[in-house]
Amino acid sequence: LAKTTQPISMDSYEGQEVNITCSHNNIATNDYITWYQQFPSQGPRFIIQGYKTKVTNEVASLFIPADRKSSTLSLPRVSLSDTAVYYCLVGDPYNQGGKLIFGQGTELSVKP
Amino acid sequence: GAVVSQHPSRVICKSGTSVKIECRSLDFQATTMFWYRQFPKQSLMLMATSNEGSKATYEQGVEKDKFLINHASLTLSTLTVTSAHPEDSSFYICAGSGSTDTQYFGPGTRLTVL
Repeated sequence: LAKTTQPISMDSYEGQEVNITCSHNNIATNDYITWYQQFPSQGPRFIIQGYKTKVTNEVASLFIPADRKSSTLSLPRVSLSDTAVYYCLVGDPYNQGGKLIFGQGTELSVKP
Repeated sequence: GAVVSQHPSRVICKSGTSVKIECRSLDFQATTMFWYRQFPKQSLMLMATSNEGSKATYEQGVEKDKFLINHASLTLSTLTVTSAHPEDSSFYICAGSGSTDTQYFGPGTRLTVL
C-alpha cells in the first residue's frame, strides 16, 4: 500500500479557501485517492474520492496531477465547523477489499 | 446513503471480562468490513479485514484469539474483545464497503476497561 505524507497541521480563517496537499509517490496504477474528515470521538466521514484530474462534489474538490504522485483537497470558504483532522488515503478498492492504511492526517484549525 | 451504525457507543467493563461490539451497515450490503482501533491523539490503526462468510484477516501484531471477529451476514459484523485489560481501552471503529468499494465508517465505540 502506498504511503502518504501530509502536513501535520494547518491554520485558516473562516471564509477562506483551504488547500491540503498529500504526497503519495508510490501510488500504484490501480490505486484511488480518498479523503476523509474526522471529528474527535467520531468515525471518519467520507469526503471525496478520485483517480485522476479533478473531482468536485458539494463539499470539496480534489485535484490530481497527471503523474498522480500528489493530490490536493480543496475546501471552499471554510467555517468553524470544518475544524477537524483530514486524512488522505491511497488504495485499490478492488483489491484486498479496499484496504486502507491511515497516516497521521492533517489537523485543520479554522479560526473566527 | 452508506450509513454504518455501531453498538454500543460507549462501554465500561471490568478487567478480565469480554465485550462485544456490533457493526451494522444500514442501507447497503457490506461485502467487506474493517475494524480499526484509535488511541488518543493518534491515527486509526487497521486491526482486521473480514469478508462475509469468511474468516477475518488480521494485521500483524493483532491477536486473533483476543479480538474475535464475526461477519456472518452482509449487514452485520461483530468484534469481541476477550478477557479485556486496561491496555485494550481504546476507540474502536468499524467500516464497511460494498459495491462502490468505498469504505464508510461507523461512529465508533469507546471501550474503557477498569
